[in-house]
Formats: sequence, structure tokens, C-alpha cells
Amino acid sequence: DVKVTQSSRYLVKRTGEKVFLECVQDMDHENMFWYRQDPGLGLRLIYFSYDVKMKEKGDIPEGYSVSREKKERFSLILESASTNQTSMYLCASSLVRYNEQFFGPGTRLTVL
Amino acid sequence: AQTVTQSQPEMSVQEAETVTLSCTYDTSESDYYLFWYKQPPSRQMILVIRQEAYKQQNATENRFSVNFQKAAKSFSLKISDSQLGDAAMYFCASPNNNDMRFGAGTRLTVKP
Repeated sequence: DVKVTQSSRYLVKRTGEKVFLECVQDMDHENMFWYRQDPGLGLRLIYFSYDVKMKEKGDIPEGYSVSREKKERFSLILESASTNQTSMYLCASSLVRYNEQFFGPGTRLTVL
Repeated sequence: AQTVTQSQPEMSVQEAETVTLSCTYDTSESDYYLFWYKQPPSRQMILVIRQEAYKQQNATENRFSVNFQKAAKSFSLKISDSQLGDAAMYFCASPNNNDMRFGAGTRLTVKP
């Protein structure tokens, strides 16, 4: 079974802090994704990566950056956290770009 | 722009009855997959069912089936013999340009 893990289930940070969300997958998938999930808005793509050191912006990249130094790990960085970044963050991976995505358990981030 | 529309924010079904969740999408792809995902409360998002657009036959997975109308770009999910464990958020997803787009979700409640 594919396993996608995220470093924290719950995280509380203060405004202005730098925040790192880590995601690791164990099935050698090429593609990895970071989404933000908010009620009534579904999942919105922040960034995705189709290969090591490669990244592409999604719909809402402002205020975020990503890093993919190794194939299995995809990190989301909030350079200076703000209260409007309070949300559920989901990481996913897929073998083929437009095929099934496997999701991590999510990180619920609260920015105070 | 939102290209996947789930018009039912909430649905309710009696245990053992059948319920249909609707989804419409817009894609410029000619050959693609469509997906329904389930997100139980506080649990990981998982794939429910996948439909290949070039196949005429509607996909079926046990109690879950789809009604795929390619010309209308409609992709509804039918859950038969609903069980308490079916209570969850359901998201449909379709490809769009370089990524996958998700609907806003339908929250399904199952009444005993």
C-alpha cells in the first residue's frame, strides 16, 4: 500500500513565524502535490512537483514556497505565517500525473 | 477558475437506501480519468471509484457506481445500500491543464 505521511496532524504557530510542513511518500512516485482545504472551497492546489528539484505553481501559491530535494519528500514552507493561512493542508502523490492521487492524513494549521 | 462543480453541499440518506451525488466538470483533455474521493471525519482521503473517459461502460465498485455522461460532462456517484460508514465528505476530481481539479465537496450524512 502507498503510504503518504505528513509531519504533524495539528500545528499552532504565531503570525510571522516561518512554518515547515513535511510530506513523505514511500512508493517512488514522481508527482507530489500540496493542497489547501477550506470549507466550501474544496481542495485548492498550492504547488506541485513532477520531479526532484522541479516545481510548478498551482492556483494559490502566494505566501508559500516548496522544496523537493529528494524524490520521496516534498516540503511546504510558509515564509511568514499569517492568520489567513489557517487551514487544513493536504499532501498527495501520484505515479502518473493525471491518475489517482494518494493523500496524507493532513495537517491542520492554526496561525494566531 | 472552478472547473468542477458539486451542486449539493450536503446530502442525507437513510441507512440501506440509495443516494446520488452529482458532479459536472469542464476539461479540454480528450482522454482522461475522473475520480470520486471520500474523506471520512478526521480520516485520510481515499479513492472511491475511477472512470476512464474513453470507456462507454460506467465504472462500478461494489455498492458504488457512476453515471458518466461524457457529452454533458457529468459524473455522478451512486451509493447503494448506504451504510453508516459511508458518512463522509465526497469530492469529485477531473484533470485540467497541468493539474487535477477538485469540487467543493458534498457532505453525506447517513441516518440510522
